[in-house]
Amino acid sequence: DAGITQSPRHKVTETGTPVTLRCHQTENHRYMYWYRQDPGHGLRLIHYSYGVKDTDKGEVSDGYSVSRSKTEDFLLTLESATSSQTSVYFCAISEYVALGYEQYFGPGTRLTVT
Amino acid sequence: AQKVTQAQTEISVVEKEDVTLDCVYETRDTTYYLFWYKQPPSGELVFLIRRNSFDEQNEISGRYSWNFQKSTSSFNFTITASQVVDSAVYFCALTSGTYKYIFGTGTRLKVLA
Repeated sequence: DAGITQSPRHKVTETGTPVTLRCHQTENHRYMYWYRQDPGHGLRLIHYSYGVKDTDKGEVSDGYSVSRSKTEDFLLTLESATSSQTSVYFCAISEYVALGYEQYFGPGTRLTVT
Repeated sequence: AQKVTQAQTEISVVEKEDVTLDCVYETRDTTYYLFWYKQPPSGELVFLIRRNSFDEQNEISGRYSWNFQKSTSSFNFTITASQVVDSAVYFCALTSGTYKYIFGTGTRLKVLA
């Protein structure tokens, strides 16, 4: 158990409203990630963080921003939600374990934009 | 560029059959790490295994086994004597130890009673 929680777990929102998803980890991991999962696309990286206030874009970052003011929290914000952002969002951490890197995921947040 | 291909979109088997899920990867890095994840109908992503590029030993864990072959850039996953609880989407993934993890599109396994 990598100690990752996500909130909310489910959210329905209207087009044009801002939405913030929270990822919280308890084990002081340096690397944190936000992915979205859509049918036929697997997991696609939105943004990642390699430390407090250090973030960078992934492959599908348009329309999303992130912030990391504390090691334990990584926030994903949809500035103005659109129906194309209806998806399941996963937070993840990466750690170096026994001669290799491993990535573990939070439980996911199902977001519906109407 | 790195890539992971899971050509099998969906597989259906009858309980107790053996099933192999294929994963083919592309990378130019000499050091890399390969993974399998399970996503059951409940939706969470469960880490199953990591294999380092410098360790080509195959691994067995109960009914699960993994065959890593650098010569063919493959990291296949076999479930022996499948059970209904094995029904899930399985993802193969790759990283070279940077921030970036590359995922395949997943294989949906249906095990019928």
